[in-house]
Amino acid sequence: AQKITQTQPGMFVQEKEAVTLDCTYDTSDPSYGLFWYKQPSSGEMIFLIYQGSYDQQNATEGRYSLNFQKARKSANLVISASQLGDSAMYFCAMREPMDSNYQLIWGAGTKLIIKP
Amino acid sequence: NAGVTQTPKFQVLKTGQSMTLQCAQDMNHNSMYWYRQDPGMGLRLIYYSASEGTTDKGEVPNGYNVSRLNKREFSLRLESAAPSQTSVYFCASREKDLNYGYTFGSGTRLTVV
Repeated sequence: AQKITQTQPGMFVQEKEAVTLDCTYDTSDPSYGLFWYKQPSSGEMIFLIYQGSYDQQNATEGRYSLNFQKARKSANLVISASQLGDSAMYFCAMREPMDSNYQLIWGAGTKLIIKP
Repeated sequence: NAGVTQTPKFQVLKTGQSMTLQCAQDMNHNSMYWYRQDPGMGLRLIYYSASEGTTDKGEVPNGYNVSRLNKREFSLRLESAAPSQTSVYFCASREKDLNYGYTFGSGTRLTVV
């Protein structure tokens, strides 16, 4: 079973509009973390935002915010006032305990295209 | 610049050839990772090293070997390349603070023909 599901393979959004990228997850561990990464066409993976399972408030980083709904097991990324440079692949990932370390489980990604 | 450096950036191999992907980080991170990225899929963990001197298998280790040469360097070796290993390979290292995930290298695009 998929542990991280990103249901939107691709999205087109008008510049300056807000955009929400969906992510649902599945875990039975009470301690977990959720990450969003951006991958522009150049290929590098850029960390955007993190939400811990015990965090009381939704995480925010500049124009990025994470809409964390624990009961629904969703961790949607919200980008406010989108810019052309936001066009990229976006990946949601979940940290799971693994022995003394941990690994990230990744979703398949959403391709976001911002239209001028 | 501080970060994770991967070499080479591009490589074409013939089936059966061997090669080593190099990775070095200068952030004094203990943990290092090798992932592969295939079209339409998220990253999948090949091998990881929790600390210098230790390595462990990830989700897709078959056909690969790794070496944690020292705290800075973590290499990935393909002993006999196969077309199924055509992929983009990412090396990453991890902050001690779990809130900040991984720092990634720029990737190696490998094609096996």
